[in-house]
Amino acid sequence: QSALTQPASVSGSPAQSITISCTGTSSDVGSYNLVSWYQQNPGKAPKLIIYEVNKRPSGVSHRFSGSKSGNTASLTISGLQAEDEADYYCCSYAGRSTLMFGGGTKLTVL
Amino acid sequence: QVQLVQSGAEVKKPGSSVKVSCKASGGTLSSFAISWVRQAPGQGLEWMGGIIPSLGTAHYAQKFQGRVTITADESTSTAYMELSSLRSEDTAVYYCARGTYNNYAFMFYYLYMDVWGKGTTVTVSS
Repeated sequence: QSALTQPASVSGSPAQSITISCTGTSSDVGSYNLVSWYQQNPGKAPKLIIYEVNKRPSGVSHRFSGSKSGNTASLTISGLQAEDEADYYCCSYAGRSTLMFGGGTKLTVL
Repeated sequence: QVQLVQSGAEVKKPGSSVKVSCKASGGTLSSFAISWVRQAPGQGLEWMGGIIPSLGTAHYAQKFQGRVTITADESTSTAYMELSSLRSEDTAVYYCARGTYNNYAFMFYYLYMDVWGKGTTVTVSS
């Protein structure tokens, strides 16, 4: 089992929108609507920001949204703010009662 | 609001084992799953395995099968992760995380992880 594929880095200017992709296979992302996204700041534990592809936990900004098409899930952050600068990880149910993370994407707000 | 309190940092010799604990404070583990996720220095997140404490049923990532044991004690709301045959590549921060799961057709579906511990640093060095 290989990790889900994410771009190593993305960047955007304040107020812009960015999208982070997460590509898996028909055995994980493609088969289940069980993709979640986590935001991690340096030295901190990850924080859940999207679950079940496109649902937002209470307290998470509406600027974060998720979607999925085929074997690829996406996280979109609109109206970029400096505080969004962090690492982002996707995670998918991968069959046989297991989870799999993506390699992570470093978001830089220019 | 439940918090997950993890045990303190560990320094271990290669070939030895480490056991990390994760106690739910302000709540219980019932009705939830507990996952263990590790992060090597400068690297990404890696799911090691999980457990359904109410059932005592554990599941492991293929990479760690045979080397990791995840248990839980509902009476103390504490989960444990034991990793054996340690090597330098196991140096990492180990997180426990509470999650939601579904049980359908005898299969457990780990859904997402919404409460995380602060992490336990395990250093493997001779």
